[in-house]
Amino acid sequence: RKEVEQDPGPFNVPEGATVAFNCTYSNSASQSFFWYRQDCRKEPKLLMSVYSSGNEDGRFTAQLNRASQYISLLIRDSKLSDSATYLCVVTDSNYQLIWGAGTKLIIKP
Amino acid sequence: ETGVTQSPTHLIKTRGQQVTLRCSSQSGHNTVSWYQQALGQGPQFIFQYYREEENGRGNFPPRFSGLQFPNYSSELNVNALELDDSALYLCASSLGQLSEYGYTFGSGTRLTVV
Repeated sequence: RKEVEQDPGPFNVPEGATVAFNCTYSNSASQSFFWYRQDCRKEPKLLMSVYSSGNEDGRFTAQLNRASQYISLLIRDSKLSDSATYLCVVTDSNYQLIWGAGTKLIIKP
Repeated sequence: ETGVTQSPTHLIKTRGQQVTLRCSSQSGHNTVSWYQQALGQGPQFIFQYYREEENGRGNFPPRFSGLQFPNYSSELNVNALELDDSALYLCASSLGQLSEYGYTFGSGTRLTVV
């Protein structure tokens, strides 16, 4: 079993739709949780950290369920510019980053 | 403040050769981590350097080695290159060896082994 698992994708959705990404992790000792965005042939960039209380940044909402070891990312009113690969990332007990394989999102006009 | 810079941006090497990739960390950051990202996969942790010493290593063979210099810049060396070493190599710097301070990534070096 992979340490961090994400929906395989790709997701093809129309502009304006709401998109939900799911992620599960296997290490219950994980301390920190993130969503990164990676554009084609570019480096990953931090989208947002994820907290147990849930957090929102504009159209983006992240949730963490430690009991289920589950992380989610919701994008509302999707834009063409949201097209990218979304990577779920957790830290191990040494605070090293463990990455999911990513889910590719394609927003269509 | 400058970000993380990596060089070269692209590189083509022949199987069996050796390669050195370079990374300049963000100003004020003393920790550098290296990742390998194969096509269609998430990055895989190679190792981390903190104050010139390796202080964490992923599941990579000894032919992957590194250095960190007094100015906190870093090198990744790969010996006896294999075709499967073809990937995007990412360097990330942070303040402190624990990632709660956040990471800044360079734009990567794309290595192709033929």
